[in-house]
Amino acid sequence: KAGVTQTPRYLIKTRGQQVTLSCSPISGHRSVSWYQQTPGQGLQFLFEYFSETQRNKGNFPGRFSGRQFSNSRSEMNVSTLELGDSALYLCASSLDNLNYEQYFGPGTRLTVT
Amino acid sequence: DAKTTQPTSMDCAEGRAANLPCNHSTISGNEYVYWYRQIHSQGPQYIIHGLKNNETNEMASLIITEDRKSSTLILPHATLRDTAVYYCIVRVAPVGSGGGADGLTFGKGTHLIIQP
Repeated sequence: KAGVTQTPRYLIKTRGQQVTLSCSPISGHRSVSWYQQTPGQGLQFLFEYFSETQRNKGNFPGRFSGRQFSNSRSEMNVSTLELGDSALYLCASSLDNLNYEQYFGPGTRLTVT
Repeated sequence: DAKTTQPTSMDCAEGRAANLPCNHSTISGNEYVYWYRQIHSQGPQYIIHGLKNNETNEMASLIITEDRKSSTLILPHATLRDTAVYYCIVRVAPVGSGGGADGLTFGKGTHLIIQP
């Protein structure tokens, strides 16, 4: 079974721009969570989607948003990029949202200049 | 969620069993113990989880003490590819359908180094 895929793997953007990252979960998985990982803050939870609805949200500004499609694929968007948004963005899928058995993708490395 | 305590680093010889301890003395009856690892520059990898009973899968075994205040992750035959940071996480199962999962919190973990 194919794992979680994320595109693109690497991205360089300029301050003020916006970016959209994509995540395809493992086939049959209906829950998708997004995380931001930085050396200073570690892994931080952004939000979780299940059945096309955001079920939980971490402590991030409204510039960070996401959505989930009917096929469970998910996208996250960051608007008005700041230098501090440079990070590894990880997507994790799970069968449902009833436990924390999550399978992570390789991540998208975003660099904001 | 209960706080966990893990050693900062450990060494293990290749081919031997790696035993990674985790203390979670304030764990509640409905909290699960999860283990993840992260190999450098990769996304975290789910290993195993359990509530009360010992668990085993193709990757590892999880031994939870009877009082549930500590657990041990066992990699039976460590290889060089098992060098990673291992995280022990204690979480209550998310609220039923619609409640959602509010994300994992990774602490410092244990840096396991497998020596050739």
